[in-house]
Amino acid sequence: NAGVTQTPKFRVLKTGQSMTLLCAQDMNHEYMYWYRQDPGMGLRLIHYSVGEGTTAKGEVPDGYNVSRLKKQNFLLGLESAAPSQTSVYFCASSYLGDETQYFGPGTRLLVL
Amino acid sequence: LAKTTQPISMDSYEGQEVNITCSHNNIATNDYITWYQQFPSQGPRFIIQGYKTKVTNEVASLFIPADRKSSTLSLPRVSLSDTAVYYCLVGGILTGGGNKLTFGTGTQLKVEL
Repeated sequence: NAGVTQTPKFRVLKTGQSMTLLCAQDMNHEYMYWYRQDPGMGLRLIHYSVGEGTTAKGEVPDGYNVSRLKKQNFLLGLESAAPSQTSVYFCASSYLGDETQYFGPGTRLLVL
Repeated sequence: LAKTTQPISMDSYEGQEVNITCSHNNIATNDYITWYQQFPSQGPRFIIQGYKTKVTNEVASLFIPADRKSSTLSLPRVSLSDTAVYYCLVGGILTGGGNKLTFGTGTQLKVEL
């Protein structure tokens, strides 16, 4: 099993550009999450999903959109990137909402 | 959201036992307590989870007092490879909607020879 994978690993964007980060898991987990991590800070939840076709807002959802069209995939979109969105983005999945989360390796995003 | 408080950093030497305490005064009845470990440039990795009293696995122990307002992660005989950031997480996605996923800033553990 590959676990949780994230694409791409690193990306540089110009202000105003758009992009989509892809998260895939092969553990048949119902729950999936997107976090961002900034220097010296913990992980902050952006959006999450409790099942295929569902999404919900987390702590810092502004400027991001998500979609969960397939159970194994969770997409994070930035419609108009801003320098404040420079961060490391982690995707995670879990079988239930209060169980172990399995994290991907992260995507480093730099917005100039 | 459930708020957790941990020491920002801790130093130790190889072979010592390390105890990291997390305060979570507003923990709810149904909340589990989970600890994660994160190395630089990697995603967090699950260490241990518990609800009350004591839980032990092959890498750590978790002590939770009766009032559950704090928890202590115990790492026996640490090595250099245990140098990492340790996060305490209380709660998860709520059955009725909403979430209590707040990781906090974590504790940077540095192990030296």
